Amino acid sequence: QKEVEQDPGPLSVPEGAIVSLNCTYSNSAFQYFMWYRQYSRKGPELLMYTYSSGNKEDGRFTAQVDKSSKYISLFIRDSQPSDSATYLCAMSVGNEKLTFGTGTRLTIIP
Amino acid sequence: NAGVTQTPKFQVLKTGQSMTLQCAQDMNHNSMYWYRQDPGMGLRLIYYSASEGTTDKGEVPNGYNVSRLNKREFSLRLESAAPSQTSVYFCASRGLYGGTDTQYFGPGTRLTVL
Repeated sequence: QKEVEQDPGPLSVPEGAIVSLNCTYSNSAFQYFMWYRQYSRKGPELLMYTYSSGNKEDGRFTAQVDKSSKYISLFIRDSQPSDSATYLCAMSVGNEKLTFGTGTRLTIIP
Repeated sequence: NAGVTQTPKFQVLKTGQSMTLQCAQDMNHNSMYWYRQDPGMGLRLIYYSASEGTTDKGEVPNGYNVSRLNKREFSLRLESAAPSQTSVYFCASRGLYGGTDTQYFGPGTRLTVL
């Protein structure tokens, strides 16, 4: 079993919809949680970073962490075609090494 | 700031050839990393360097060597390339940037081994 599981998709939704992306994990020692966005043929870029259970909001993006269920989510409100990308969850015990999910490919249809 | 830069952007090798992938960062970070990304496998850590002069193996180190030349530069060498090493390679550095301590990635090197 992988330490981090992420549905690879692909996921296609119409513009303006709310998108929900999810990851589950098995290592209860993880305490830092991140979402990276990766456009086609580019490097991953940090989108959201959190280290506690609960919600963190940044504009149209909300990151949710539920440590009791070992489950993290990223919500995108009012999705735009520019949100079309692969979204990678990542987590770590300390800050040194990250464990990544396989990524979910998202397409927003105009 | 350029962030993390990688050269070359693309490379085609024949089986058995060698090459070095270069990475540099200008964020004054101590830690640097090399990953490979394959379809359905996500990002897998090859090697990392927590500070200048130190290197450690990651999840998939076989067939690779690294050199932390100085604080800015971290290179990845394939001594005898194999088709299984066809992948996209990303370098990253870790540290504080914009108030967040996490990893920041370069644009990647697409490597094909024939």
